[in-house]
Amino acid sequence: GAVVSQHPSWVICKSGTSVKIECRSLDFQATTMFWYRQFPKQSLMLMATSNEGSKATYEQGVEKDKFLINHASLTLSTLTVTSAHPEDSSFYICSAPWGSNYGYTFGSGTRLTVV
Amino acid sequence: RKEVEQDPGPFNVPEGATVAFNCTYSNSASQSFFWYRQDCRKEPKLLMSVYSSGNEDGRFTAQLNRASQYISLLIRDSKLSDSATYLCVVKGLYNNDMRFGAGTRLTVKP
Repeated sequence: GAVVSQHPSWVICKSGTSVKIECRSLDFQATTMFWYRQFPKQSLMLMATSNEGSKATYEQGVEKDKFLINHASLTLSTLTVTSAHPEDSSFYICSAPWGSNYGYTFGSGTRLTVV
Repeated sequence: RKEVEQDPGPFNVPEGATVAFNCTYSNSASQSFFWYRQDCRKEPKLLMSVYSSGNEDGRFTAQLNRASQYISLLIRDSKLSDSATYLCVVKGLYNNDMRFGAGTRLTVKP
């Protein structure tokens, strides 16, 4: 089946630094990648949709200058959290659709802690 | 009102019990429906799609009622390994129109 590899699994960074999260589709071409954020005991919230070769589409309330998304190839999408603050601490997860009704395949998630 | 609502639980049941989860959605134009399972600090994994006629996969049965905008998941003969959070997921017409419920937490005890 379709696999999305996400790295790093967890990261601790200092306030003000930037963190890059990568998602790679291993055995299929992901023309679209969704980026979600999940706070404890809450549902996944869609942050943005990246499309290969074009600008990402951000959901309302998500700062595009803070969460930089790049989808330069059919197998790689990245999310960079710039100037991270403690309130950015969360579980970030990517997902790509495959098949017409197979749902979505998720990366393993990145737990970001900003101290 | 949330777009996808689930009873958060937790549901604590003994091994072998039958447990049912409910989910309601607000968008009547929703096209596809899924149940995902999410283990603690892990990514969600597709448990099963939900079809209008209802569908079964081993001990798991999913039902959809479009008129009532209601989805259910029934787990029979619960196992310890069924302990997880179960997410109701509703998809609209477009790929980015996918909405997750907050999840229902299930703990199966010996």
